[in-house]
Amino acid sequence: DAKTTQPNSMESNEEEPVHLPCNHSTISGTDYIHWYRQLPSQGPEYVIHGLTSNVNNRMASLAIAEDRKSSTLILHRATLRDAAVYYCILRVDYKLSFGAGTTVTVRA
Amino acid sequence: SQTIHQWPATLVQPVGSPLSLECTVEGTSNPNLYWYRQAAGRGLQLLFYSVGIGQISSEVPQNLSASRPQDRQFILSSKKLLLSDSGFYLCAAQGRDEKLFFGSGTQLSVL
Repeated sequence: DAKTTQPNSMESNEEEPVHLPCNHSTISGTDYIHWYRQLPSQGPEYVIHGLTSNVNNRMASLAIAEDRKSSTLILHRATLRDAAVYYCILRVDYKLSFGAGTTVTVRA
Repeated sequence: SQTIHQWPATLVQPVGSPLSLECTVEGTSNPNLYWYRQAAGRGLQLLFYSVGIGQISSEVPQNLSASRPQDRQFILSSKKLLLSDSGFYLCAAQGRDEKLFFGSGTQLSVL
């Protein structure tokens, strides 16, 4: 199975951008890159996904490297409500397997 | 909009008792369905997934089983619970838009 690697934690100041890296060097051509986030005692929430091109939505931007072996989730202006565990995962066939994620802390 | 109904929210069961967790999906047809388990402070472990009625794929050998009797119904079961089955169980569905959405989860404590 294609795996992802993320830093364990990241800190940011409120209203500053946050760049969350993810390595997925074994990705294949049909694997989608997904990002989710999870607040304590809640189920994960969809953030964004992409295949080859960079993607933007109201929550974040996803920058995908040209060789697709890495990607970066960008939160343009962090708020206290963005503090969560962020998961970068690959959809391999029908499977979406989560890793340990990156715990994001936002300082006021 | 897409919604998952998952119940119960909290469950306390003795070791050796049976288990049945159910989730139903609204707002999408023929979804891919998933059961995940999350131990305290850990990431999500994929347990089962299903791409259609009666089609179940198991990811981890374990004491649990899953069934999909209807298109938008997914059931997680056990005949005899173990202490190690404790955790936060999440049902999820993926529609044609590729997005995965989750139920609110069941916190299972096996004592």
